[in-house]
Amino acid sequence: EAGVAQSPRYKIIEKRQSVAFWCNPISGHATLYWYQQILGQGPKLLIQFQNNGVVDDSQLPKDRFSAERLKGVDSTLKIQPAKLEDSAVYLCASSFLSSPLHFGNGTRLTVT
Amino acid sequence: AQSVTQLDSHVSVSEGTPVLLRCNYSSSYSPSLFWYVQHPNKGLQLLLKYTSAATLVKGINGFEAEFKKSETSFHLTKPSAHMSDAAEYFCVVSGMVGTYKYIFGTGTRLKVLA
Repeated sequence: EAGVAQSPRYKIIEKRQSVAFWCNPISGHATLYWYQQILGQGPKLLIQFQNNGVVDDSQLPKDRFSAERLKGVDSTLKIQPAKLEDSAVYLCASSFLSSPLHFGNGTRLTVT
Repeated sequence: AQSVTQLDSHVSVSEGTPVLLRCNYSSSYSPSLFWYVQHPNKGLQLLLKYTSAATLVKGINGFEAEFKKSETSFHLTKPSAHMSDAAEYFCVVSGMVGTYKYIFGTGTRLKVLA
């Protein structure tokens, strides 16, 4: 089966600019997750979707981060405006019911 | 509430010697537990999972982990380290809290010395 696809792999932007990341989960996986992984730390959940509905966005900085999964398949995570502390790897994962998470290769964001 | 603690942030072993990465968990109900590995500039790959079947779980690349409820531990082991095992390892606990939640440990960086 095809894995979780993410793009771009790398992005460099200046602070106060905007950026968007895209994720296409494994076919049939209803649950999609966006994680932020700062260098040297474990992944932190930003937002969790069940089909096209949000089930957990408690740790999403909503003043600057937004995410959508309009058709219950692929998803976009946006940051506007970016801050230096947003430099991290953004990981997308998907799962089916209680199956293990399947991760994409991530997008490495550098904010200068 | 669920939580997971990885007891060592860094572990160094010599090639060919055993590997032990320690993980303790806290959960108010029967958890599922996972170990993931992350190589540089890569996503996370599932090594093994425990889901209330056998307490000794075998994974890929010769890794295994033992679920010990009395000690609330899920330590990862491998009899003989290989250079390619050098990576970051994450212990994860999951459970149903309205929806499935996955809580990550802070990671253990494994270094393998030639």
